[in-house]
Amino acid sequence: ETGVTQSPTHLIKTRGQQVTLRCSSQSGHNTVSWYQQALGQGPQFIFQYYREEENGRGNFPPRFSGLQFPNYSSELNVNALELDDSALYLCASSGGTSGGVYNEQFFGPGTRLTVL
Amino acid sequence: DQQVKQNSPSLSVQEGRISILNCDYTNSMFDYFLWYKKYPAEGPTFLISISSIKDKNEDGRFTVFLNKSAKHLSLHIVPSQPGDSAVYFCAASARMSGGSNYKLTFGKGTLLTVNP
Repeated sequence: ETGVTQSPTHLIKTRGQQVTLRCSSQSGHNTVSWYQQALGQGPQFIFQYYREEENGRGNFPPRFSGLQFPNYSSELNVNALELDDSALYLCASSGGTSGGVYNEQFFGPGTRLTVL
Repeated sequence: DQQVKQNSPSLSVQEGRISILNCDYTNSMFDYFLWYKKYPAEGPTFLISISSIKDKNEDGRFTVFLNKSAKHLSLHIVPSQPGDSAVYFCAASARMSGGSNYKLTFGKGTLLTVNP
């Protein structure tokens, strides 16, 4: 069974730039959630994708957007980067091919984004 | 407003003794609770969970207790081992409005150190 993978591992950008982070869900999972973890904080929910559509969103501005592909992999895009966007971005997969969604989410290793 | 609180930033115990990590929540809509363990430079790893209709769930050395009336849960690790040293996150799950999927709300984490 393949776990959740994310790329890249680390990324350095400057303020105002745009970034795309990628996630491959665990095999058999059809739901992907994205979280932002700032230093010293717990992960904060950004949004969730199910069947290629956004299925819920946390308190993040529209410059945070995403996609889910037919193979359930996902992208997180952040436009007009700000210094406060520096964080660990975590992707989590859940659910099953039956279409049901489970509470247990399984996380990837994360992408460390630094905005200078 | 933090809906999931882990009031102890750190905990230190001796190998072989019991570790007790605590978590409080405020939102009555939470219906499922999870504990994750996180090592540096890795994503959170799912440890154990409990449904709101239960008051205890056990898995090997790990037991989670839920006191719904007090909105409090705890994770017991017995016996504690040096390899258990990590940051432990409490997370609560609630159905997202308008959807059938769930998002996780995390506490800030507790750093557990198990001394040999």
